Amino acid sequence: NAGVTQTPKFQVLKTGQSMTLQCAQDMNHEYMSWYRQDPGMGLRLIHYSVGAGITDQGEVPNGYNVSRSTTEDFPLRLLSAAPSQTSVYFCASSYRGGGGVGGELFFGEGSRLTVL
Amino acid sequence: AQSVAQPEDQVNVAEGNPLTVKCTYSVSGNPYLFWYVQYPNRGLQFLLKYITGDNLVKGSYGFEAEFNKSQTSFHLKKPSALVSDSALYFCAVRDGSSNTGKLIFGQGTTLQVKP
Repeated sequence: NAGVTQTPKFQVLKTGQSMTLQCAQDMNHEYMSWYRQDPGMGLRLIHYSVGAGITDQGEVPNGYNVSRSTTEDFPLRLLSAAPSQTSVYFCASSYRGGGGVGGELFFGEGSRLTVL
Repeated sequence: AQSVAQPEDQVNVAEGNPLTVKCTYSVSGNPYLFWYVQYPNRGLQFLLKYITGDNLVKGSYGFEAEFNKSQTSFHLKKPSALVSDSALYFCAVRDGSSNTGKLIFGQGTTLQVKP
């Protein structure tokens, strides 16, 4: 049981380049999300998905694109990278919704992105 | 809209002393509250959560948190701090009345435990 797997762990891009951060989970979680972590800003939600074929915007969606074609995978795309997107990105998954069952997020180890 | 505030950027305590990391929240529906810990260059690890029931929640590594609805707070506590507790701590809130599962985090509090 690998949990949440993110690739790559490190990436350096030039301004204007595009790339995809991959995220996969093997826990059959309905809910998946992407966060970015910046010093003093905590974690900010970029996009999230409550199931295959369903995505929605979080707090800071501009410049990022997502899709959810399967339950397992939730890639994050940067279409034209900017220096402001230099950050550490975390993918996380959980059982959907609240209630007394599940609900806590399981995080990947992070992807450190530098845009020059 | 949901929001979380962690009023202290850093908390310093001596080993063996009790610790408190503060968190206040705002949510329109029922609050589902969480605490996570992050060690350097790692992902976040779940510590504990409040969904419903007893206001005092016990979690991993001896941590506990008290839900206070009137003060909209969910402070993290531990009776006796360890040097190994030094890390970055995040409080988070989900609107339990919503089906989206969206979890919003505070800005984090660095806990420094000195020998």
